[in-house]
Amino acid sequence: AQTVTQSQPEMSVQEAETVTLSCTYDTSENNYYLFWYKQPPSRQMILVIRQEAYKQQNATENRFSVNFQKAAKSFSLKISDSQLGDTAMYFCAFREVQGGSEKLVFGKGTKLTVNP
Amino acid sequence: SAVISQKPSRDICQRGTSLTIQCQVDSQVTMMFWYRQQPGQSLTLIATANQGSEATYESGFVIDKFPISRPNLTFSTLTVSNMSPEDSSIYLCSVRQITKETQYFGPGTRLLVL
Repeated sequence: AQTVTQSQPEMSVQEAETVTLSCTYDTSENNYYLFWYKQPPSRQMILVIRQEAYKQQNATENRFSVNFQKAAKSFSLKISDSQLGDTAMYFCAFREVQGGSEKLVFGKGTKLTVNP
Repeated sequence: SAVISQKPSRDICQRGTSLTIQCQVDSQVTMMFWYRQQPGQSLTLIATANQGSEATYESGFVIDKFPISRPNLTFSTLTVSNMSPEDSSIYLCSVRQITKETQYFGPGTRLLVL
């Protein structure tokens, strides 16, 4: 089974600065999908960004970008120009497909606090 | 992305009772899933809700405890049966279109069992 590791339980950053959240994963598959989800105190899980493993180009969505290192099985999230609304739990997830069924395997999450 | 709603948004229940959570999507979706998020923890898949057939359960989850229905392509229910305080969690449904690679989540149902 695939595993996802987020080694930073908590992080903080000053408003307008840049922060990077780490994620590593373990898989024997060659083609797969990785995701970052954000969960603010409202508990809604919101997709931040998605990366397809066969694409070498790192995904970018406005202030959010990833550093995808396939050989190292690393998938970090960079948040630029941090805003107070970015305060949330951030979960890294791997889409696992086995025998026709699928599921998202989540890391334990990183609690990010953006300070004014 | 599809608009997903869940009912109830939260509930407080007595042990030994059952609660049914509804998940409604505003468009037809191929796949629907139910996840559990225990306090301070990450999300764990309970089961995949299959339209017109029995749900597919993950290891550690059984149909008697978490019966699931999916009568059509836009609606599913999850029942938490014979509840105990250990069932206190957030329950989330998610959906995915077969042509898309992303699962989108509903707002979740926060359950407290006393």
